[in-house]
This record gives sequence, structure tokens and C-alpha cells, in this order.
Amino acid sequence: QVTLRESGPALVKPTQTLTLTCTFSGFSLSTSGMCVSWIRQPPGKALEWLALIDWDDDKYYSTSLKTRLTISKDTSKNQVVLTMTNMDPVDTATYYCARIRVGYGGAFDIWGQGTMVTVSS
Amino acid sequence: EIVLTQSPGTLSLSPGERATLSCRASQSVSSSYLAWYQQKPGQAPRLLIYGASSRATGIPDRFSGSGSGTDFTLTISRLEPEDFAVYYCQQYGSSPLLTFGGGTKVEIK
Repeated sequence: QVTLRESGPALVKPTQTLTLTCTFSGFSLSTSGMCVSWIRQPPGKALEWLALIDWDDDKYYSTSLKTRLTISKDTSKNQVVLTMTNMDPVDTATYYCARIRVGYGGAFDIWGQGTMVTVSS
Repeated sequence: EIVLTQSPGTLSLSPGERATLSCRASQSVSSSYLAWYQQKPGQAPRLLIYGASSRATGIPDRFSGSGSGTDFTLTISRLEPEDFAVYYCQQYGSSPLLTFGGGTKVEIK
């Protein structure tokens, strides 16, 4: 069974750096075609893609946020970590990690339950 | 940069009716890389359709996807009570690598 679970702080202060961890099971990020991505959703708003890391350690970022984002993986721990610098109240959102298999149409087939992050002083 | 525009923003229908949701891309999208999701309040999105027209595992056949190039459609043939939700389209592969549409809410009339 494939599962993903997000973890990280529920509250961060403006200007701080957010670090989120996605811990997954049931697949290997070393397998060709396998990717893990981060997506966020502000309250009442649409989904926004943030970053993706693939089996070959290639990394891709949202155009508008790429200067603030870093994605990395620890294959041995089955974890993907996202850092976002200089947090602002507009970054308040539910942050999801999800799996993509390139051979599955580049679609997010399995999602974590999400973690709510509030940015406030 | 590719933008996905979903319409209408809200669709008010009754159970048993047919729902037709549109996703229009600002540039051509490979049909192999267009997906649709359903999201209910408080839940993560669920994959419905990938490759523009392939149903994901466990998705009822009342959900169907079609389209190519810049125009894609999600059709729900007969709305069930559990289908009232927000629906998103998503593309993969064009710059930026991934984009979501703004969503269509299907609400009970």
C-alpha cells in the first residue's frame, strides 16, 4: 500500500524558513519514472504546484517561487524535504505531498492528507 | 508560461443530471499529460482521469475525460450525491513543469 505523510510546524513566524518532510512508503524514489512533489492550497483557494524531485534527483520548481524553494530527498529514509524561505502570511496554506509516476501521465496518483501551516507573528 | 482556465467557476445541477466541465490551456498540452481531480471539503484531491481520458483505479465509469490540444472536458454522465465537489485539471510537461487550473465547483441546485 502506497502512503505519504506530511510533517512540519503548524505555525511559523514571518521571515522564518519553513521545513516540511514527506515520509512515504510502498514505493521507492529510486525507481525510474517515480517522482514526489509538493502542492499547496490556501484556505478556500485553488491548488498550487510548488516543486518536484524525480528518481534521478532532478529538481523542478514553480516559476514564481523558485527563489524561495529547495527540494531534496533521502532515499534511504523514504523522505522528501521541502524548505521555503522568507515565509509570509500569504503562504498560509495546507501543504500536500503527492506521488507522480511519469508513465502514469504525469498525474498525482497518491496524496498525503496534508498539513496546515499558518504564518503569523 | 502555460495557464489552465477552468469554466464555469460554479456549476449548479441536480442529482441525475449531466455535468460538463471545461479546462482550456493557454498553449497546447500533450493529451498524455492532462489530469482531472476531485476534491471534497477537508480532503486531499483524488485523481479521476489521467492522460486526458483514462480513468484512475476505482473511478466509476460515469466519469469521462476528452479533448486535445488546448481544450479538455470532464463529463459526469449522471451526478450522484457524492459527486458534488470541486474539480481541478492539471497539466504536466509544459513550462512550468506542472500547472493546476483554478477549479470548478459542482454544487447541488
